[in-house]
Amino acid sequence: EAQVTQNPRYLITVTGKKLTVTCSQNMNHEYMSWYRQDPGLGLRQIYYSMNVEVTDKGDVPEGYKVSRKEKRNFPLILESPSPNQTSLYFCASSTGLGETQYFGPGTRLLVL
Amino acid sequence: GNSVTQMEGPVTLSEEAFLTINCTYTATGYPSLFWYVQYPGEGLQLLLKATKADDKGSNKGFEATYRKETTSFHLEKGSVQVSDSAVYFCALYTGGFKTIFGAGTRLFVKA
Repeated sequence: EAQVTQNPRYLITVTGKKLTVTCSQNMNHEYMSWYRQDPGLGLRQIYYSMNVEVTDKGDVPEGYKVSRKEKRNFPLILESPSPNQTSLYFCASSTGLGETQYFGPGTRLLVL
Repeated sequence: GNSVTQMEGPVTLSEEAFLTINCTYTATGYPSLFWYVQYPGEGLQLLLKATKADDKGSNKGFEATYRKETTSFHLEKGSVQVSDSAVYFCALYTGGFKTIFGAGTRLFVKA
C-alpha cells in the first residue's frame, strides 16, 4: 500500500530534550516536506527536500533541522524543543513541485 | 504575495443540506488549485484539483470550478452526509518550491 508513515504519533517531552520524528514514504517520491498545523493558521511549511541531500527552509524553520540521506526517509529533528513548538506535525511527499501531496497521519507533540 | 483565504468555520449543517465553502486566492500567473480534506485523526488527502481557468474538479460528490475572473475556487456539494464531517483546506501552487494552504474550514454535519 502506498503510504507515508510517521513515528511517533504522539509525544510528550520537556523543554530542551532533543527529539526526532521519523517520516518514511514508499512511493519513490522525490519531493518531501514537513508542515506544522496550528489552530487558525492552517499548514505552515517547515522544511522541504527536492531529493537526496537537497533540503531547504520553508516558512518557519527556526528550531528545526532535517536530513535526507535516503530517498524514502526525511526525519525532523528538534535539537532543543521549546513550548512554542507544541503542535501537530505532518510529513508529506509528492512526485514533484505542485503535484498532489500525500500526507502522513500526523505527530502530535506537546513540549512542557 | 500569493495567498489563500477561506471562509471561517465551523460550518454546521444538517444531513442532506447543500454545502458551499468559499475560497479566494491572490496569485501571480496561473496557479493550480487544490482542495484537501482532513478527517478526524488523519492526515490531509487530496479531494480534487484544477490546473487551469474554467476547469472543474470533482470527486465524491464534491465540485469546485476554477474561476480566474473572480479568483475563486469554491467547494460545493449538493447533499452532505455525516461522514463528510472534516476540515477542508484550499491550496494553491504558483510555481516555486511550495504549495500555499488556507487556514482550513471545519465542517460538522448533524444526522
